[in-house]
Amino acid sequence: AQSVAQPEDQVNVAEGNPLTVKCTYSVSGNPYLFWYVQYPNRGLQFLLKYITGDNLVKGSYGFEAEFNKSQTSFHLKKPSALVSDSALYFCAVRDLDSSYKLIFGSGTRLLVRP
Amino acid sequence: GAGVSQSPSNKVTEKGKDVELRCDPISGHTALYWYRQSLGQGLEFLIYFQGNSAPDKSGLPSDRFSAERTGGSVSTLTIQRTQQEDSAVYLCASSLRIGDTEAFFGQGTRLTVV
Repeated sequence: AQSVAQPEDQVNVAEGNPLTVKCTYSVSGNPYLFWYVQYPNRGLQFLLKYITGDNLVKGSYGFEAEFNKSQTSFHLKKPSALVSDSALYFCAVRDLDSSYKLIFGSGTRLLVRP
Repeated sequence: GAGVSQSPSNKVTEKGKDVELRCDPISGHTALYWYRQSLGQGLEFLIYFQGNSAPDKSGLPSDRFSAERTGGSVSTLTIQRTQQEDSAVYLCASSLRIGDTEAFFGQGTRLTVV
């Protein structure tokens, strides 16, 4: 069965420090991977996606993610966190060899302190 | 339209009543999803429509929940005999096609069952 795991309910970092939000996936075939962000009382916004090619993907707001096939991971990273990055982050996967539906992880709350 | 539109934005209903939630996807998007997000929780997949294919209803929590998509565009999620545990934000998303494209989310309908 397809699944996405975000092992951390919350990540705390100081402003200016690098941040990592973890995501691992399990699919039967080739995955398309996505990161979304949800700010308070807002809908989900697309951040970035991995389809094929370079394992390091760059997205909106200075975020990037690294696809690692051997570890089945797609961790979200940013070199220098901002207080305004505080939000709920969701990893998602679409299994191309299965039903194509989009499956989300449970979400990780990022808190960046000044 | 410019984005995914959901209506109403808020709905308060009495326990036992039926409710209908509407989603207008982005024009031309063939895939449409419904998700449920309970307070502070992740995204629970409900149902997925792709073109003229039979919908994937595997996420519907009970037979009180149903959804349809007319003419490959507008979708309605119906909850019959609402219960308090149905209280949540119901999110609709659409994507241009299956595969590599990201999904775009509406702002959601906040349903409160009293």
